Amino acid sequence: AQSVTQLGSHVSVSEGALVLLRCNYSSSVPPYLFWYVQYPNQGLQLLLKYTSAATLVKGINGFEAEFKKSETSFHLTKPSAHMSDAAEYFCAVSELHGSGNTGKLIFGQGTTLQVKP
Amino acid sequence: DTGVSQDPRHKITKRGQNVTFRCDPISEHNRLYWYRQTLGQGPEFLTYFQNEAQLEKSRLLSDRFSAERPKGSFSTLEIQRTEQGDSAMYLCASSRAPGPLYEQYFGPGTRLTVT
Repeated sequence: AQSVTQLGSHVSVSEGALVLLRCNYSSSVPPYLFWYVQYPNQGLQLLLKYTSAATLVKGINGFEAEFKKSETSFHLTKPSAHMSDAAEYFCAVSELHGSGNTGKLIFGQGTTLQVKP
Repeated sequence: DTGVSQDPRHKITKRGQNVTFRCDPISEHNRLYWYRQTLGQGPEFLTYFQNEAQLEKSRLLSDRFSAERPKGSFSTLEIQRTEQGDSAMYLCASSRAPGPLYEQYFGPGTRLTVT
């Protein structure tokens, strides 16, 4: 069974600093991986996804993530944090099983990003 | 594309009461998913539909929970005899087709508080 682990429930950075949010996955087959962002009292918005094409994936709002099979990681980065980036971030894997892909998502526990002025 | 809508946005109910939530997916999307999110946790899968057919239910979905998607359009999630442990955000998502190549679009959620 697939699973996702997000290291660090809270990350605090200064405005303009590098953002690094960590995600490690467990999967016996090549996974499909996602990063979502959730602002307070809102649903989830897709930032980016990895579906076995390029290992470096670029998303919206300047975010990108790199798929590293050897490290089973899919860390999210942004070169320069903005105040508007403060939110909850979730890493997710799309479930795979014998009959194929159900499309349902398995989420990590989330990382709260705080951006200090 | 008006997005996924959910109604109500907030619901406060007393323990033992029944509640029903509604989700309206993006019109051309044939896949619809329900997730539950408790405070400080990531969303957890509850159930999903392909058109009007309910294809899978999580073990999290006790007998008190039922979901429908009549005519493959909107969906309802009903919780009978609510318990305090049911307090959570209930999220609905829809996609054009199964699989990771098609993004799941999430609604704003319904926050349930059971007192």
